[in-house]
Amino acid sequence: EADIYQTPRYLVIGTGKKITLECSQTMGHDKMYWYQQDPGMELHLIHYSYGVNSTEKGDLSSESTVSRIRTEHFPLTLESARPSHTSQYLCASSESGARHQPQHFGDGTRLSIL
Amino acid sequence: GEDVEQSLFLSVREGDSSVINCTYTDSSSTYLYWYKQEPGAGLQLLTYIFSNMDMKQDQRLTVLLNKKDKHLSLRIADTQTGDSAIYFCAESKGSSYKLIFGSGTRLLVRP
Repeated sequence: EADIYQTPRYLVIGTGKKITLECSQTMGHDKMYWYQQDPGMELHLIHYSYGVNSTEKGDLSSESTVSRIRTEHFPLTLESARPSHTSQYLCASSESGARHQPQHFGDGTRLSIL
Repeated sequence: GEDVEQSLFLSVREGDSSVINCTYTDSSSTYLYWYKQEPGAGLQLLTYIFSNMDMKQDQRLTVLLNKKDKHLSLRIADTQTGDSAIYFCAESKGSSYKLIFGSGTRLLVRP
């Protein structure tokens, strides 16, 4: 069973606030990912990291930023939240290796911007 | 996503088999995955298949891969009400570790 944790689970906050969504994994995985998902819809990759000090933008443009200072921690930050940022944000991680390793997901943060 | 397509909805009676279908377009895909998402939760990995395999079975789950037609299916035997969820198909592309997800199939199991 994968151990990947996201906090908070739910966040309702006003426009203009700075928000940080936390994601931590205890498996020592090098690779971590952030996805944005509208309820019941497809997932869109917005950021990923192949290791410490490595971050890349995903396929869907996002105003959020990420950092990877420690292997286990991959926070996502919105400097000034807007209603268009309302969505579910899912974090995932996977091992390195010659073979593809499946991604393991956290339970997500459901974000609502008023 | 435009590379991976799934039907949106499937309804079955409890105890019947469910078959969820997926088509993909990238012949260089190396691994194909099935994930399950219950309401308000993240994605749970169900199973995956390497592109040089035709079939993989794991308890009630059977994955069939037709590489010629780029068609993947997930069969759930003896479907239970707890199987009601959204099922996502995903492909990995070549040497990239990124996954491309379909838009999900919502499975409803009727008592």
